Amino acid sequence: GDSVTQMEGPVTLSEEAFLTINCTYTATGYPSLFWYVQYPGEGLQLLLKATKADDKGSNKGFEATYRKETTSFHLEKGSVQVSDSAVYFCALSGDSGGGADGLTFGKGTHLIIQP
Amino acid sequence: DAGVIQSPRHEVTEMGQEVTLRCKPISGHNSLFWYRQTMMRGLELLIYFNNNVPIDDSGMPEDRFSAKMPNASFSTLKIQPSEPRDSAVYFCASSLTGVASPLHFGNGTRLTVT
Repeated sequence: GDSVTQMEGPVTLSEEAFLTINCTYTATGYPSLFWYVQYPGEGLQLLLKATKADDKGSNKGFEATYRKETTSFHLEKGSVQVSDSAVYFCALSGDSGGGADGLTFGKGTHLIIQP
Repeated sequence: DAGVIQSPRHEVTEMGQEVTLRCKPISGHNSLFWYRQTMMRGLELLIYFNNNVPIDDSGMPEDRFSAKMPNASFSTLKIQPSEPRDSAVYFCASSLTGVASPLHFGNGTRLTVT
């Protein structure tokens, strides 16, 4: 079945540091890939997505490129802020068609940004 | 747009009691999902509906769990009887039908069973 593996946390960085959170996936066919962010006490929010190979999703300074050859979708940001502290989830949606059938999520990476 | 609305935000109950969690999806969305989040297991898909019809309930842990969607604007997740190991945050999410449609999550219900 489909699966998503992302780096274990917590990841602790200083403000303005460069961020990379690794994500790799296993899936049949051509899944769509997502990054979600969860702030304390809230539900998950879509951060960015990519639907085909070599697509780059971007939002709020975050970027991730769909790499089919390495089955990866790493999240990057050039200069993190304290407000980026949250839990980040990588996810995929299968390409079985016929409608949404839910997402397969990674276990989440807790990011802590120190001033 | 009010987003996905879940109630209650917090629920504390004693083992053996019945618990009902409620969800109102975003208007116009035709897929609805129930997830459970714990530290140990992360996010688990329990069940999802398309056009009010349950499609896949293979994630429902056992017969104590049941979910209904009587109409397009309301769904419930019921646990009867509840057990301490059911303690978790339960999320409802909705989306438009489509392979790449993103999910919109509610703020969750934190359930504590003592």
